[in-house]
Amino acid sequence: AQKVTQAQTEISVVEKEDVTLDCVYETRDTTYYLFWYKQPPSGELVFLIRRNSFDEQNEISGRYSWNFQKSTSSFNFTITASQVVDSAVYFCALGRIGGATNKLIFGTGTLLAVQP
Amino acid sequence: GAGVSQSPSNKVTEKGKDVELRCDPISGHTALYWYRQSLGQGLEFLIYFQGNSAPDKSGLPSDRFSAERTGGSVSTLTIQRTQQEDSAVYLCASSMGGERSTEAFFGQGTRLTVV
Repeated sequence: AQKVTQAQTEISVVEKEDVTLDCVYETRDTTYYLFWYKQPPSGELVFLIRRNSFDEQNEISGRYSWNFQKSTSSFNFTITASQVVDSAVYFCALGRIGGATNKLIFGTGTLLAVQP
Repeated sequence: GAGVSQSPSNKVTEKGKDVELRCDPISGHTALYWYRQSLGQGLEFLIYFQGNSAPDKSGLPSDRFSAERTGGSVSTLTIQRTQQEDSAVYLCASSMGGERSTEAFFGQGTRLTVV
């Protein structure tokens, strides 16, 4: 079975703090994609990153970084020096490679509130 | 248009009525997906269209739900005899499919309320 677990329902931090959002997944596929999406109050999902299971190299994009650990089936997301504009619901998702790549299994999301 | 467009943005309907939700994907995107987001839940896959292939309907929760994609572009999701548990935000996404598969771009959704 495929499953994505985001155990943190809500996180509240003060601006400039670092915050890590956890994501643990289950899949029987040997190759797969992992995604993070951001959903601000406007409701539209904003793509943040897609990683394939071949590549465990960690990635950094500005204040965002992702830690993919295949051994523990985790794909955690860290925001450094958080800002109020980072306040949103963040979703981790699992997808297959090829075909319906974006037929995604989503986690239930983590609501991040960044206080000024 | 520049992004995925969904209409209406909000829909309130009476229990038992039929509703149609529309999605205009990004031009040139061959893959189109419908998802449902219920309050406090993650997103639930409903249906997937890729080009002229038969759609993947494996996520549709009941036979009251159907969708079509005319001309490989605009898609309509129809819910017949709506029930209160159908209340949710219905999100549409499109992407380049096949070998050039990219990430999905989502619309802002249609918030459906069944009263």
